[in-house]
Amino acid sequence: AQSVSQHNHHVILSEAASLELGCNYSYGGTVNLFWYVQYPGQHLQLLLKYFSGDPLVKGIKGFEAEFIKSKFSFNLRKPSVQWSDTAEYFCAVSTGGGNKLTFGTGTQLKVEL
Amino acid sequence: DARVTQTPRHKVTEMGQEVTMRCQPILGHNTVFWYRQTMMQGLELLAYFRNRAPLDDSGMPKDRFSAEMPDATLATLKIQPSEPRDSAVYFCASGLGQGSGANVLTFGAGSRLTVL
Repeated sequence: AQSVSQHNHHVILSEAASLELGCNYSYGGTVNLFWYVQYPGQHLQLLLKYFSGDPLVKGIKGFEAEFIKSKFSFNLRKPSVQWSDTAEYFCAVSTGGGNKLTFGTGTQLKVEL
Repeated sequence: DARVTQTPRHKVTEMGQEVTMRCQPILGHNTVFWYRQTMMQGLELLAYFRNRAPLDDSGMPKDRFSAEMPDATLATLKIQPSEPRDSAVYFCASGLGQGSGANVLTFGAGSRLTVL
């Protein structure tokens, strides 16, 4: 079975700092990769996804992620964070053409003014 | 925007009571998922359906939890009897099992359950 690891559980940044959140998965076959964001008190929303093609994918709100197959990684990046990016970020993977998602444990990001 | 609708948004109940949570998936979506979110365990998959048929409910405690899809517009998750350890936020999500847009899930706002 696949699994997803997010190394940073809590990240605190100042506004305008650059962000990189790590995500590694374990599965030897074809994967679909996702980043979801959960703002305080809200539901999960899709930030971006990778299915195939260009390994650098761009999502909403200036986020991007890079799929590195050799490292089984799908790290999330943003060049300059804003206070409104304070949220919990979840990496997820689906396999085998289905859409059952396995989530990582999440990274709580706090952006300070 | 198409939405996944969950009810109730909040539920406080006493231990031993029956709890039923409902989900209306996005029209046309043929897969429905129930996830539970807690501080300790994160997001856990409880059950999922494709074309109303249960495909996987291995993450669900069978003795007290049950999940059904009476029709394509309604999914239910029932806990009977409820216990304090069931306190969590329960999310429903729906998606297309194949074709354009496959593999992307849309989540509902969640049902926050507190069992006293």
